[in-house]
Amino acid sequence: AQSVSQHNHHVILSEAASLELGCNYSYGGTVNLFWYVQYPGQHLQLLLKYFSGDPLVKGIKGFEAEFIKSKFSFNLRKPSVQWSDTAEYFCAVSDTDKLIFGTGTRLQVFP
Amino acid sequence: DGGITQSPKYLFRKEGQNVTLSCEQNLNHDAMYWYRQDPGQGLRLIYYSQIVNDFQKGDIAEGYSVSREKKESFPLTVTSAQKNPTAFYLCASRGLLGGNNEQFFGPGTRLTVL
Repeated sequence: AQSVSQHNHHVILSEAASLELGCNYSYGGTVNLFWYVQYPGQHLQLLLKYFSGDPLVKGIKGFEAEFIKSKFSFNLRKPSVQWSDTAEYFCAVSDTDKLIFGTGTRLQVFP
Repeated sequence: DGGITQSPKYLFRKEGQNVTLSCEQNLNHDAMYWYRQDPGQGLRLIYYSQIVNDFQKGDIAEGYSVSREKKESFPLTVTSAQKNPTAFYLCASRGLLGGNNEQFFGPGTRLTVL
């Protein structure tokens, strides 16, 4: 069965620092990939998704992710984080009709 | 407003009692899902349903039961057989038409078993 690994469990950054969160999935074939974000006290919401086409995907709030098929990776990036990016971030991969989630990365951004 | 509602937001129960968590959606989505979220473990799938009157077990179905009598509703019952029921429970839905659609999530219910 498909699985997802998020290597960074807790990341602490200062505002304006660059961000990269790692995500790897276990096997290839056709996959749909997602990053979700959970801001404190809010719903889990979609940041961005990859289904096909350009492997560099742009999402909301200045986030982007790059699908690298050869590395089974879908890392999330943002050039300059803000305090409001403090949240928990989840990578997910589709597995037939289900989503498999990683364990999440807690990001704290300090002013 | 279209969306997914879960009630209640916080729920307290005594050990040994069954409890039912509500999930309703007005997005006209065919598929609905229940997840459990625990610190450091991400979201784990409990049950899902792609059509009325049909549902499948997820990765951690033991101690839980569901029903899907209406398209809009997918209640989850946490039974007394669930060994560690205290958790944050998230409901999600997804439209199946058009393919490649993401899941939309409700606000969650935090269940505490005393």
